[in-house]
Amino acid sequence: EPEVTQTPSHQVTQMGQEVILRCVPISNHLYFYWYRQILGQKVEFLVSFYNNEISEKSEIFDDQFSVERPDGSNFTLKIRSTKLEDSAMYFCASSEAPGSSGNTIYFGEGSWLTVV
Amino acid sequence: GNSVTQMEGPVTLSEEAFLTINCTYTATGYPSLFWYVQYPGEGLQLLLKATKADDKGSNKGFEATYRKETTSFHLEKGSVQVSDSAVYFCALTQGGSEKLVFGKGTKLTVNP
Repeated sequence: EPEVTQTPSHQVTQMGQEVILRCVPISNHLYFYWYRQILGQKVEFLVSFYNNEISEKSEIFDDQFSVERPDGSNFTLKIRSTKLEDSAMYFCASSEAPGSSGNTIYFGEGSWLTVV
Repeated sequence: GNSVTQMEGPVTLSEEAFLTINCTYTATGYPSLFWYVQYPGEGLQLLLKATKADDKGSNKGFEATYRKETTSFHLEKGSVQVSDSAVYFCALTQGGSEKLVFGKGTKLTVNP
């Protein structure tokens, strides 16, 4: 079964450093997402991406964050100048059709980011 | 705004016991409702979904019915197995927004 793959599975970074989390969505999917889960808290939406642009973003997704689809297969989340509170599990997800219409969104296994 | 509330865990059951995990939602209009499951060391997987009132989603012996009158989508299974041990998340999406809104998750442990 096709799946969303994420790398790295775990990254430790120093406060203030930049981090890039990588994702390979399912190949025929057109909608891409990033979510995060801080330990013990809810899974939170960060951003959705369609047709090479951000279609929706949450209040969390400020200027510190950016997303990019640099080629036909990868989808990346960049976090600039990381802070301790950015420590979380980051999930990439994709869907064939809009999630807003009740279509299934498929998630990767997550990238655990620890900022020290 | 939209929100999902699910019962606090953890829940510990013996094998073959009946499972209910309560989920209620707050939304304007008619959301689509989902249950996702996260097995240890794995990502979020869709377990089942329902996109309109009175629909029943089912998969792997789990069921949930979209109840608009009670704004609920409770997850049930008649006989749990040790392999069902996982964290279960209730979630919704609504037209006009791409985001899934999740509940806090309920950790289920099934003992042999």
